[in-house]
Amino acid sequence: KNEVEQSPQNLTAQEGEFITINCSYSVGISALHWLQQHPGGGIVSLFMLSSGKKKHGRLIATINIQEKHSSLHITASHPRDSAVYICAGMEYGNKLVFGAGTILRVKS
Amino acid sequence: EPEVTQTPSHQVTQMGQEVILRCVPISNHLYFYWYRQILGQKVEFLVSFYNNEISEKSEIFDDQFSVERPDGSNFTLKIRSTKLEDSAMYFCASFGDRAYEQYFGPGTRLTVT
Repeated sequence: KNEVEQSPQNLTAQEGEFITINCSYSVGISALHWLQQHPGGGIVSLFMLSSGKKKHGRLIATINIQEKHSSLHITASHPRDSAVYICAGMEYGNKLVFGAGTILRVKS
Repeated sequence: EPEVTQTPSHQVTQMGQEVILRCVPISNHLYFYWYRQILGQKVEFLVSFYNNEISEKSEIFDDQFSVERPDGSNFTLKIRSTKLEDSAMYFCASFGDRAYEQYFGPGTRLTVT
């Protein structure tokens, strides 16, 4: 059974700090999604990556296929970045296996 | 930007009742999914649907659950006889072939009393 593990579970940062959330995954996973979930519950896809690095605004996602590890970085964090960040691995058949999420709170 | 929509946003039902959750995927997408998230837990895969049939389902997706694409635009999840433990947020997702990125709907919060 494929698994995705995230750390940390909870993260509190001061506005402006650089934030890193980590994700490790098992062998059967071919690509990684980073998702953002807001308090209302809706899920937004931030990145899908199977190799290298992607950047969108202040968000950067990297993946190391050999080590089966991915990171999501937020530069110059802001209170509006407060949300749950979820790493999800794509299995054969393109279904997603989800991590438990990282609850991020950015204080002003 | 195209988006996945879901209705209703919140449904309250009594145990034993049937519910139908509706999703309108992005129009040129071919792959459709239902996921659920029980409060405080991880999001879990329920079922995937391609070419008008189920391509994969999880152990959760038992005989009480069914999916349909009745008219080429809607994608529905039916729970025949709801149980208390079916209370959860249900997400629909779809993707086309480009970039394998899944687009999620806003979710339907189902409360079974």
